[in-house]
Amino acid sequence: EVQLVESGGGLVQPGWSLRLSCAASGFTFDDSAMHWVRQAAGKGLEWVSGITWNSATINYADSVKGRFTISRDNAKNSLYLQMNSLTTEDTALYYCAKGGESWLDAFHMWGQGTMVTVSS
Amino acid sequence: QSALTQPASVSGSPGQSITISCTGTTSDIGGYNYVSWYQQHPGKGPKLLIFDVYNRPSGVSNRFSGSKSGNTASLTISGLQPEDEAEYYCNSYRSRNTWVFGGGTKLTVL
Repeated sequence: EVQLVESGGGLVQPGWSLRLSCAASGFTFDDSAMHWVRQAAGKGLEWVSGITWNSATINYADSVKGRFTISRDNAKNSLYLQMNSLTTEDTALYYCAKGGESWLDAFHMWGQGTMVTVSS
Repeated sequence: QSALTQPASVSGSPGQSITISCTGTTSDIGGYNYVSWYQQHPGKGPKLLIFDVYNRPSGVSNRFSGSKSGNTASLTISGLQPEDEAEYYCNSYRSRNTWVFGGGTKLTVL
C-alpha cells in the first residue's frame, strides 16, 4: 500500500524556521518526482515546491522562493522541506504528494498533511 | 502566480450530470496537456481523478471524465451520487517548471 506520512509541523513565531519530513512507503521512491502542496484553512490548494527523482529539477512557487528548500534522501525514502523566515502567510496544512517518473506527471498520491502555524 | 479560475460552487441532483470548468491561459492549460483534477472530502487529503486532461487512474469510476478546449479544461461527473459531494480542484503544468491549481469548486448533491 502506498503511504506518505508527513511530520515536523508545529507552532512557530514569525521569522523562525521549521523542517518538514515525508516518509514514503509502498512504492519505488527513487522513481518518483515528489512535491509539497499546502492548504490554508478554508482555502484552496497551492503548489509549493517539487523535485524530480534524481534532484535534477527543483522548483518553487514565487511565494516561497528564496526561503524554502526542498530535498530528498532516496536511501531513506524521505522528502524534506526546510522552511526559513516563516511568515503568518505560511500558515497551512502541508501535504506531501507523489508524482511520477517525469516532472510533468500528475500528483498520484497524497499524504494526510502536517499543520504549520506561524503566529506570535 | 495567479490561480486557475473555477466556479465557487455547483450543484446537481442524484443521477444528473454536472460539469466544472477551469480556465487558465496559454501559459498553462492552453499550452500543455498536463491538466489534472482532484477530489477532496472534508478533513481528507486530495485524490487524483483525472490526469493528462482525460485519463483516469485505475480504480476511479468512469462516471468522471475530463476534456479541454483552448484555455479551458472541464470535469464532468455523470450519474451523480451522494458521495460525490466534495471539493474539486483542477491543476495544470505552467511554463517554467511550475504547477498551478484552481481555486476549487464545492459540489453539492441535492
